Amino acid sequence: AQSVSQHNHHVILSEAASLELGCNYSYGGTVNLFWYVQYPGQHLQLLLKYFSGDPLVKGIKGFEAEFIKSKFSFNLRKPSVQWSDTAEYFCAVNAWGHKLVFGAGTILRVKS
Amino acid sequence: GAGVSQSPRYKVAKRGQDVALRCDPISGHVSLFWYQQALGQGPEFLTYFQNEAQLDKSGLPSDRFFAERPEGSVSTLKIQRTQQEDSAVYLCASSLPWTGNVQETQYFGPGTRLLVL
Repeated sequence: AQSVSQHNHHVILSEAASLELGCNYSYGGTVNLFWYVQYPGQHLQLLLKYFSGDPLVKGIKGFEAEFIKSKFSFNLRKPSVQWSDTAEYFCAVNAWGHKLVFGAGTILRVKS
Repeated sequence: GAGVSQSPRYKVAKRGQDVALRCDPISGHVSLFWYQQALGQGPEFLTYFQNEAQLDKSGLPSDRFFAERPEGSVSTLKIQRTQQEDSAVYLCASSLPWTGNVQETQYFGPGTRLLVL
């Protein structure tokens, strides 16, 4: 079945720690990949996206993600997290028509 | 500019009641999507419109769910005879037209949180 897997449901980090959130998908063809973020009390916002070209994608607020086709992965990274990065992060894939298929989300809590 | 807006933000319904959820997309966005997000899960696709045409309704969980976009702008998701399992956040998203292989970014509204008692 078509699916997106996010490795950790809850992550707790201290400020200035490095972040890596895993995302794997199950599809062997051409994909478009997204990371969305939902801050407390706010709606889903696009963090970054990959359509083609350079597999290392830079997004807003210092986030980046790397598309590794051979591993079917699109992991999200940030070298130094801040308290304001506390949010829920969703990986999403568009490979099967118009719809986005989302992972279950990772809740990140950053301790100040 | 204005983003996607949804109303109501919260809805409590008794089991068996009908509900209607409204979505106002970003001006100029011809593509409109509805998603359902259960507690602790990611959003799941329900249906897709291009202008007023409903091109994909494969995600609608039952025939109690119905969506329309009669004039190609505002959309309404209607749930008839609500059940407790319908409790979820219903998200609307809009985008520019999908062209070729380039997936236009979907912009999400704040969602309607539906609780069925």
